[in-house]
Amino acid sequence: DAGVIQSPRHEVTEMGQEVTLRCKPISGHNSLFWYRQTMMRGLELLIYFNNNVPIDDSGMPEDRFSAKMPNASFSTLKIQPSEPRDSAVYFCASSPRTSGGSRETQYFGPGTRLLVL
Amino acid sequence: AQTVTQSQPEMSVQEAETVTLSCTYDTSENNYYLFWYKQPPSRQMILVIRQEAYKQQNATENRFSVNFQKAAKSFSLKISDSQLGDTAMYFCAFMKHSWNDMRFGAGTRLTVKP
Repeated sequence: DAGVIQSPRHEVTEMGQEVTLRCKPISGHNSLFWYRQTMMRGLELLIYFNNNVPIDDSGMPEDRFSAKMPNASFSTLKIQPSEPRDSAVYFCASSPRTSGGSRETQYFGPGTRLLVL
Repeated sequence: AQTVTQSQPEMSVQEAETVTLSCTYDTSENNYYLFWYKQPPSRQMILVIRQEAYKQQNATENRFSVNFQKAAKSFSLKISDSQLGDTAMYFCAFMKHSWNDMRFGAGTRLTVKP
């Protein structure tokens, strides 16, 4: 089975440029999460979706960050304009939901390493 | 807010030995989930083991087991017969039953020495 797929795996850009990170969740999973990992702040949840609907975006640091999930198999995280402090590893994760409504394990993609110069 | 504390930034163990990684958490919830994730140098986040708070029995996955002490809010990970491939960052994580929001600890860097 294919796991969570993220692209690109590495991105180097200049300050002020727009950056778009992409994620394809595991087929059949109905929850999708975007995390950011930095040395200073560790792993932080940015936003998550249930059934393509954004549920909690309180972790999104600024208006420069936006995320969309147009369908069950695709999500994007966009940073516009990018800044050097946005340099981090961005993870996408997905999870199924059981019929009983309990939360399930999150499965992570390989991450996108972003460097903003 | 829930917090997860991993008090050991770094640990090392000899190959084939046993090592225990500590994790404590703070919550007023009664139903929740706890996880250990492994992050090797490749940066991939890999689930190691999961524990539901309502289960008294400690979870076990091959060489990995946990010591879940609900009253003490402690969730340690024991790795038996350590292997070189176990070298990684290990993250403890907490998730409330009613939410998808998972909180991670700062991580413990484990090095398995030959």
